[in-house]
Amino acid sequence: AQSVTQPDIHITVSEGASLELRCNYSYGATPYLFWYVQSPGQGLQLLLKYFSGDTLVQGIKGFEAEFKRSQSSFNLRKPSVHWSDAAEYFCAVGADKLIFGTGTRLQVFP
Amino acid sequence: GAGVSQSPRYKVAKRGQDVALRCDPISGHVSLFWYQQALGQGPEFLTYFQNEAQLDKSGLPSDRFFAERPEGSVSTLKIQRTQQEDSAVYLCASGRVSNQPQHFGDGTRLSIL
Repeated sequence: AQSVTQPDIHITVSEGASLELRCNYSYGATPYLFWYVQSPGQGLQLLLKYFSGDTLVQGIKGFEAEFKRSQSSFNLRKPSVHWSDAAEYFCAVGADKLIFGTGTRLQVFP
Repeated sequence: GAGVSQSPRYKVAKRGQDVALRCDPISGHVSLFWYQQALGQGPEFLTYFQNEAQLDKSGLPSDRFFAERPEGSVSTLKIQRTQQEDSAVYLCASGRVSNQPQHFGDGTRLSIL
């Protein structure tokens, strides 16, 4: 079955600290992988995507993610978190319809 | 350019009423998707159009849910005889082609009393 697991429901970091959000997937074919961010009352904004090629992908707002096929993972990272990064983060997989994880809520302390 | 536009942003209905939710995709986008997002959950796929053709409706939870995109642009998601479990945010997304990143609207928050 196709699925996405985000093991961390809630993460709290201090502003300026590094961040890693975990994502594991189960998918029958070569996956297309995405990270989206959602602020309260808003839709989802695409941070970055992986289709093929270089397994380290760069996105907007200083985020990056690394595709590791052997671990079925696509973890999101940022070297230095800003207070404005506080939001809900969703990992997704799919070629047309997307399968989303349950999300990780990021809280940033000053 | 303009993004995906959804209306209304909020809808309150009594149980048993019919509702219609509208999605205006980004101009020229071929693919259109509907997702349902329950409180505290990730979005779940409902249905997918390519132009006016509904290619996948496997995620529609019951025959009370119906979606259309008659001219290949604007889409409407209709829910008949609403029930409390239909309360959720309904998200629409569009893409230039099916396997390209989807651009999401801000959603319609539906509350069934």
